[in-house]
Amino acid sequence: KQEVTQIPAALSVPEGENLVLNCSFTDSAIYNLQWFRQDPGKGLTSLLLIQSSQREQTSGRLNASLDKSSGRSTLYIAASQPGDSATYLCAVRENFGNEKLTFGTGTRLTIIP
Amino acid sequence: KAGVTQTPRYLIKTRGQQVTLSCSPISGHRSVSWYQQTPGQGLQFLFEYFSETQRNKGNFPGRFSGRQFSNSRSEMNVSTLELGDSALYLCASSPIGGQGAYGYTFGSGTRLTVV
Repeated sequence: KQEVTQIPAALSVPEGENLVLNCSFTDSAIYNLQWFRQDPGKGLTSLLLIQSSQREQTSGRLNASLDKSSGRSTLYIAASQPGDSATYLCAVRENFGNEKLTFGTGTRLTIIP
Repeated sequence: KAGVTQTPRYLIKTRGQQVTLSCSPISGHRSVSWYQQTPGQGLQFLFEYFSETQRNKGNFPGRFSGRQFSNSRSEMNVSTLELGDSALYLCASSPIGGQGAYGYTFGSGTRLTVV
């Protein structure tokens, strides 16, 4: 059974700092991995999608990496801003034909102005 | 381009009642998935529909059911509501079930409170 863990559960950093969020999964046989952000009481906003054959994806100040063999992904946020404050979730899709996403527990990020 | 639309945004129901939630996917998306989010369990997969067929189902009791219409709109139904069904219910759509470069796009959710 796939299990996805995100550490730390909460993180506070001063504005302007670069930071890394971690995601680990127990079964390396994944199809893809997706990073989302969730603002309080809202739905999920997709940030980056990494296919199992890829090592990283970039979008603006965000960079996500994937190391399937070690069961790890990281989300790097450069030059953090107060608007980046949210809960960040990673989710893995295990294989083609199985549409289920298994979500991590999330990291609640607070950027201090 | 309109996103994933979920209605209603908020619902308050009494234990024992039933409820129906609606999800309209992005135009052209044929796969619709449903998730339940609670503080204790996080996000859990309920089921996924593609072309009106349920392809995958999570570990939820039979009180949770769903369907998809020919226009890809989907509904989920919860019968005999229990207090523990209080949650944010999220719907996600994808062109072809998240294949290739396509991930999932989520709606804003329906907040269900059972009293």
